[in-house]
Amino acid sequence: AQKVTQAQTEISVVEKEDVTLDCVYETRDTTYYLFWYKQPPSGELVFLIRRNSFDEQNEISGRYSWNFQKSTSSFNFTITASQVVDSAVYFCAQGGSEKLVFGKGTKLTVNP
Amino acid sequence: GAGVSQTPSNKVTEKGKYVELRCDPISGHTALYWYRQSLGQGPEFLIYFQGTGAADDSGLPNDRFFAVRPEGSVSTLKIQRTERGDSAVYLCASSFWGADTQYFGPGTRLTVL
Repeated sequence: AQKVTQAQTEISVVEKEDVTLDCVYETRDTTYYLFWYKQPPSGELVFLIRRNSFDEQNEISGRYSWNFQKSTSSFNFTITASQVVDSAVYFCAQGGSEKLVFGKGTKLTVNP
Repeated sequence: GAGVSQTPSNKVTEKGKYVELRCDPISGHTALYWYRQSLGQGPEFLIYFQGTGAADDSGLPNDRFFAVRPEGSVSTLKIQRTERGDSAVYLCASSFWGADTQYFGPGTRLTVL
């Protein structure tokens, strides 16, 4: 069965600190996709990134970077120089075909 | 372009009543999904439509829950004989095709008193 674990329930940092959100997944699929979504206080899930299981290259987008390691079934997300606007709940998700399986989320609070 | 829209944004009902939640996907998206998010949890899959047909309804909790998408666009999630445990945010998402990136709507917060 598919499972996504986000062990960090809540993280609190001070603005400009770097922060890494952990995600570990379990799947028996040979081809799958991994996702990160952001859920700000407004409630709407915002898509951040999608990775194919065959593509283990790390990705950087501005202050955001993602580290995909198939050997440890992890897909971690790092925010560099965090800002107050980064405060949100972040969800990691995994999908083999259509439906997504989400972790329980990590609540990130960035304090000024 | 317009994103996924859901109506109503909030719905308060009494135990035992029937409710309908509506989802309007992004134009051109053939796949539509319903998820349910309880407080402090991640979204949980309910049902997936490809076109007009329900391709996977394995996440529907019981037969009080039903969803339709008669013309392959707008979808309605129907809950009969609501129970207090049905209280949650119901999220709709759409994608160009199954297994493509899913884009979510703002959700409908259902409260059953």
